Amino acid sequence: AQSVSQHNHHVILSEAASLELGCNYSYGGTVNLFWYVQYPGQHLQLLLKYFSGDPLVKGIKGFEAEFIKSKFSFNLRKPSVQWSDTAEYFCLTQGGSARQLTFGSGTQLTVLP
Amino acid sequence: GAGVSQSPSNKVTEKGKDVELRCDPISGHTALYWYRQSLGQGLEFLIYFQGNSAPDKSGLPSDRFSAERTGGSVSTLTIQRTQQEDSAVYLCASRRMGGNTEAFFGQGTRLTVV
Repeated sequence: AQSVSQHNHHVILSEAASLELGCNYSYGGTVNLFWYVQYPGQHLQLLLKYFSGDPLVKGIKGFEAEFIKSKFSFNLRKPSVQWSDTAEYFCLTQGGSARQLTFGSGTQLTVLP
Repeated sequence: GAGVSQSPSNKVTEKGKDVELRCDPISGHTALYWYRQSLGQGLEFLIYFQGNSAPDKSGLPSDRFSAERTGGSVSTLTIQRTQQEDSAVYLCASRRMGGNTEAFFGQGTRLTVV
């Protein structure tokens, strides 16, 4: 079975700090990879996605993620966070014959003004 | 519709009662997922529908949980004889198949069993 690990459960940063959230997955075949964000009181929204091609993908609001196949990783980055980035971030995978989307446990990001 | 719609947005029920949660996916999306988000826990897969194929029910936690999807569109998740541990936010997502696509999520139904 596929699994997704997000090692940072709660990250607290000051505004303008750089962000990197880790995501590692277990599936060895071709995977689709996603980062979703859930702002307080809102539904899950897509930040960015990777299907194939350039392993560095850019998403909305200045976020980017890099797919490193050899490390089974898809870490999320942002050079300078804002208070409005306070939210919970989820890494998802969908691969092979697995039709379901597999979620990581989520990382709560708190950005202090 | 513009997005995935779930109803009700909040539901408080007494222990032992049955509840039905509804999901209206985006028109044309043939894949539909149900997830459960419990306090302090991650998102737990419940069930997956894809077109006319048999649903993947591997995530349903007990036989008190069931779901159906009528006409390949609206889905209903039913929880019978609710227990306090069923309290959670139930999320529905839909996805267009036939290529690499992302899932779109509803706002969820917050179920509280008292």
